[in-house]
Amino acid sequence: QVQLQESGPGLAKPSQTLSLTCTVSGGSITSGNYYYNWIRQPAGKGLEWIGRIYFSGMTYYNPSLKSRLTISLHTSTNQFSLKLSSVTAADTAVYYCATDRGSGFPLDFWGQGTLVTVSS
Amino acid sequence: DIQMTQSPFHLSASVGDRVTITCRASQTISNYVHWYQQKPGEAPKLLIYGASNLQSGVPSRFSGSGSGTDFSLTISNLQREDSASYYCQQNFDVPWTFGQGTKVEAK
Repeated sequence: QVQLQESGPGLAKPSQTLSLTCTVSGGSITSGNYYYNWIRQPAGKGLEWIGRIYFSGMTYYNPSLKSRLTISLHTSTNQFSLKLSSVTAADTAVYYCATDRGSGFPLDFWGQGTLVTVSS
Repeated sequence: DIQMTQSPFHLSASVGDRVTITCRASQTISNYVHWYQQKPGEAPKLLIYGASNLQSGVPSRFSGSGSGTDFSLTISNLQREDSASYYCQQNFDVPWTFGQGTKVEAK
C-alpha cells in the first residue's frame, strides 16, 4: 500500500516561491502504477486540484495555476515536488499530495497534508 | 472548467436516518465522479469511485448513483461517525474539479 508524506516550509513570503515535497513509500514512483497529484484546501474552504505528474515526466496542470507551477519527479529519492512561484495570501492553504491510477480513476491514497502560510 | 454543483451545503439528520447529497456537473461526464469524506484535521478519504463503486473497506451504508450530469451519494442508517464533510469530484476533464462540499451532522 502506498503511503505519502508532505514536507516543506510552513511559511512563504509574498512574491516568493512555495516549495513542497511528497515522499512516496510502499512502491517506486517509476513503477508506472500511479500518477502523483497535488491538491490544496484553504482553511474552511473546499478542495482545489493543482496538478499531477506521471513517471514518464508528463504533467497536467490546472490552467489557473499553470503560469506559476512546476511539478517534478525525483526518482533517486522516490519523491515528487511542487513549486509555486509569485505566491500571495490567496495561496495560503493545506497542501495534500495524492495518487491516482490513471484516466477515470479516483484519488485513492492521500498524504496527511501540510499547512503553508503566505505572509511577510 | 467543469463546474460541480453540490447540495445541500449543510445537512443535519438523526442517527439512523437516510440522507442524500447531490452533485450536478455543468456538462456530461459519463461516470467519472468520485466521492470523498473529510473529517476535521484529516485528509479526504475515498468512499465511492466511478459514481457507484464502493471503495474497499468503506461501510455498505454508503452508496452512489448517477451518470451523465446528475449524481448522488446516499448514507443509509446514518451513524455519528459519519459526521463529516463530503465532496464530489470529476476527472472527466482537466482541470479536475470538486463540489463545494456538504457538511453532514449526525445528531
